[in-house]
Amino acid sequence: DAGVTQSPTHLIKTRGQHVTLRCSPISGHKSVSWYQQVLGQGPQFIFQYYEKEERGRGNFPDRFSARQFPNYSSELNVNALLLGDSALYLCASSPRTGGGNTEAFFGQGTRLTVV
Amino acid sequence: AQSVSQHNHHVILSEAASLELGCNYSYGGTVNLFWYVQYPGQHLQLLLKYFSGDPLVKGIKGFEAEFIKSKFSFNLRKPSVQWSDTAEYFCAVKGGQAGTALIFGKGTTLSVSS
Repeated sequence: DAGVTQSPTHLIKTRGQHVTLRCSPISGHKSVSWYQQVLGQGPQFIFQYYEKEERGRGNFPDRFSARQFPNYSSELNVNALLLGDSALYLCASSPRTGGGNTEAFFGQGTRLTVV
Repeated sequence: AQSVSQHNHHVILSEAASLELGCNYSYGGTVNLFWYVQYPGQHLQLLLKYFSGDPLVKGIKGFEAEFIKSKFSFNLRKPSVQWSDTAEYFCAVKGGQAGTALIFGKGTTLSVSS
């Protein structure tokens, strides 16, 4: 069975550019969440989507946006990239909204480097 | 806001030594608790979880954790570590003030020498 898949695996962008990261959840999972993991830190919550609606947002600037498609895949967009946006971006999927007794399954992540 | 503290940044052990990694969370109502592991070059994997019931939970690869509500703690233990346990370990909490988001600690790097 395929797990959570993310693309691309690595990415180098220049300050000020825009980036789109993609995530396909485990088959049957309807919830996708995005996390940012800076080196030496734990993952930080960015967004959660369920049934194509935003269900949660972390403390990130408006430069960060996301959406979920009818097939439950998701995109994370970051505009006007800053050097500080360099991080590993993780996608996680869950069967339901993520509330209650559910666990999240993580993808390999996309390593974004901003130069 | 909900927060998670992991007491040890880097732990170095010899094979067969016992392991205990500390994790405390700030109070925020009923929570779910998790330990995730990240082996070198691999994705985050769930080691174990606590939702309700028996506060002593067993996970994969011989790991266990004990939820002590009065201390807001969820410490991870393993009686005898192996070289293959070398990895980064993250404690996470969901629920309470955090809602459906997972709030992670900063992680503990475990290095096991053979």
